[in-house]
Amino acid sequence: DTGVSQDPRHKITKRGQNVTFRCDPISEHNRLYWYRQTLGQGPEFLTYFQNEAQLEKSRLLSDRFSAERPKGSFSTLEIQRTEQGDSAMYLCASSPRDRDGSPLHFGNGTRLTVT
Amino acid sequence: QKEVEQNSGPLSVPEGAIASLNCTYSDRVSQSFFWYRQYSGKSPELIMSIYSNGDKEDGRFTAQLNKASQYVSLLIRDSQPSDSATYLCAVIYGGSQGNLIFGKGTKLSVKP
Repeated sequence: DTGVSQDPRHKITKRGQNVTFRCDPISEHNRLYWYRQTLGQGPEFLTYFQNEAQLEKSRLLSDRFSAERPKGSFSTLEIQRTEQGDSAMYLCASSPRDRDGSPLHFGNGTRLTVT
Repeated sequence: QKEVEQNSGPLSVPEGAIASLNCTYSDRVSQSFFWYRQYSGKSPELIMSIYSNGDKEDGRFTAQLNKASQYVSLLIRDSQPSDSATYLCAVIYGGSQGNLIFGKGTKLSVKP
């Protein structure tokens, strides 16, 4: 069990640029989640995959955000035309498929700063 | 409205004392509850999960769940300075794994 891996750890970009983050879940986990966390707040749900299917997407997720998990393994989160309000920690998590209620295991996150 | 409420703190306790962290939630059908610990600048780390009413103990940590009152708590016995962190309560709403909702967290400070 190598844990959930996220890349990059830090990303600084200028407003208006596109950014893409990658997440590699724990190998036997088929559920993958993206959360966003800002200072002083708890993680905020963005979207969730079971295998390659994107099953839920937060209404808070604007159309500038898109996530994929093409082969049911790693996932990417892309933000187009970044805005300063997108600055946050982007967390990826995975869980096993056994049942609902399995705990999520988080990666170390990607910290995005939009200047 | 899905809500998970926690006192933001900071909660300050002396070393060796019991720290008590509380959480309330708004969905009566929730069945799965979690406590995560988050050190500054780090990602959340699972401490406890609880699914049934009553107490669940793991080392120095005890989670307590009261579904009738929609209340879940975490007790940390013999608190250590290394326990100083933000503790996040998380609840799965409506039986859907995707709806894991977090509170804002309670910041705990354990003074030597």
